[in-house]
Amino acid sequence: DIQMTQSPSSLSASVGDRVTITCRASQGISSYLAWFQQKPGKAPKSLIYAASSLQSGVPSKFSGSGSGTDFTLTISSLQPEDSATYYCLQYNNFPYTFGQGTKLEIK
Amino acid sequence: EVQLVESGGVLVQPGGSLKLSCAASGFTFGDSGIHWVRQASGKGLEWIGRIRSKGYSYATEYSVSVKGRFTISRDDPKNTAYLQMNNLRTDDTAVYYCTRHGTLPDYYFMDVWGRGTTVTVSS
Repeated sequence: DIQMTQSPSSLSASVGDRVTITCRASQGISSYLAWFQQKPGKAPKSLIYAASSLQSGVPSKFSGSGSGTDFTLTISSLQPEDSATYYCLQYNNFPYTFGQGTKLEIK
Repeated sequence: EVQLVESGGVLVQPGGSLKLSCAASGFTFGDSGIHWVRQASGKGLEWIGRIRSKGYSYATEYSVSVKGRFTISRDDPKNTAYLQMNNLRTDDTAVYYCTRHGTLPDYYFMDVWGRGTTVTVSS
């Protein structure tokens, strides 16, 4: 199975900041990488697919980049509602695998 | 409105069986693949399996943790996918979500999720 390692596991940032979350695959996955946001008690929400394609309706403050093994999710102009856990998912190989999650706190 | 609604989650004893449903509306269900993803309380997301559309011969894939115990199926006229879970273990306790994946004629990837249904395996 492909292992997905996210970093950091948690981070704290202030309103207006820009943050970057990294996801590393244990082997190359081309651009088959998606990012999800999840708030407590809620279903995951799709943000990015194909590494850098913004899901319809998602604000442009979210952006993704990378290919192969290294990927990033960048969130700019942080707002309190961005407080959530963020997950990456590789869908290049079965079984699909998620990263362990990054918990983002807004100070 | 595009919607997925899971149902069927209950308390079940270890070794028991359960069948979850994922009812779709607002899109052409027959063109869509359906994935199941679960989340144990306080833990991360775990992909457990997928069924493709008729155009791809209803192909299925599963995670190692459920292969041989869980089966995904679908009834296109009813716009519903199912997750049959057998020989349940306590570590199958989780919220189970379904989500969609389409390739032709329209591409979309896990853009819509249900609210989830809770399965508790306990004696």
